[in-house]
Amino acid sequence: NAGVMQNPRHLVRRRGQEARLRCSPMKGHSHVYWYRQLPEEGLKFMVYLQKENIIDESGMPKERFSAEFPKEGPSILRIQQVVRGDSAAYFCASSPGRGNSGNTIYFGEGSWLTVV
Amino acid sequence: RKEVEQDPGPFNVPEGATVAFNCTYSNSASQSFFWYRQDCRKEPKLLMSVYSSGNEDGRFTAQLNRASQYISLLIRDSKLSDSATYLCVVNWDNTNAGKSTFGDGTTLTVKP
Repeated sequence: NAGVMQNPRHLVRRRGQEARLRCSPMKGHSHVYWYRQLPEEGLKFMVYLQKENIIDESGMPKERFSAEFPKEGPSILRIQQVVRGDSAAYFCASSPGRGNSGNTIYFGEGSWLTVV
Repeated sequence: RKEVEQDPGPFNVPEGATVAFNCTYSNSASQSFFWYRQDCRKEPKLLMSVYSSGNEDGRFTAQLNRASQYISLLIRDSKLSDSATYLCVVNWDNTNAGKSTFGDGTTLTVKP
């Protein structure tokens, strides 16, 4: 599958635990984005990363959330001490970043986090 | 005012109908425009890019009006499978696709 790969697809965590969501971009894509979609709401941009760099984290909550995209391996969105309000679908997306379709974003199937 | 605004709907139409959605954006420097489709509990999928001259893909036609800062999506001969939420996406930074702003979506239900 050459698409954006996310795992786990579904994750259940108790309040106070940590959630780690992983994302491998589409082959050939060097730009990764994380979005959150709360129930019955639209997509909200969280963070934009390139390898080993956070380019824009203006949509990230100030506390408990962090993201990385290491030189090797997938991008990770980490949520510490989860609360019920963190329950949402977290979508990862990637783009080539250059060329005619450089701005076109392709999404993974999402990770559904439920905090109980 | 939201950066990208869409009529949330829902639009309920019979099969075979023609339906149009509009989306307005506030940043006049916006450069790239897209329509995505999102099915319930699924990821958004690119439906089509929107070009200045307008473009068509089968039953779908997208238009851009820079002067009035809106884009539109027209669906002809609606099918049951067109039922979904349609997301308008606007980007004003060609170096950063992550600067794309998503509208909250317009829900379409096509009924037999």
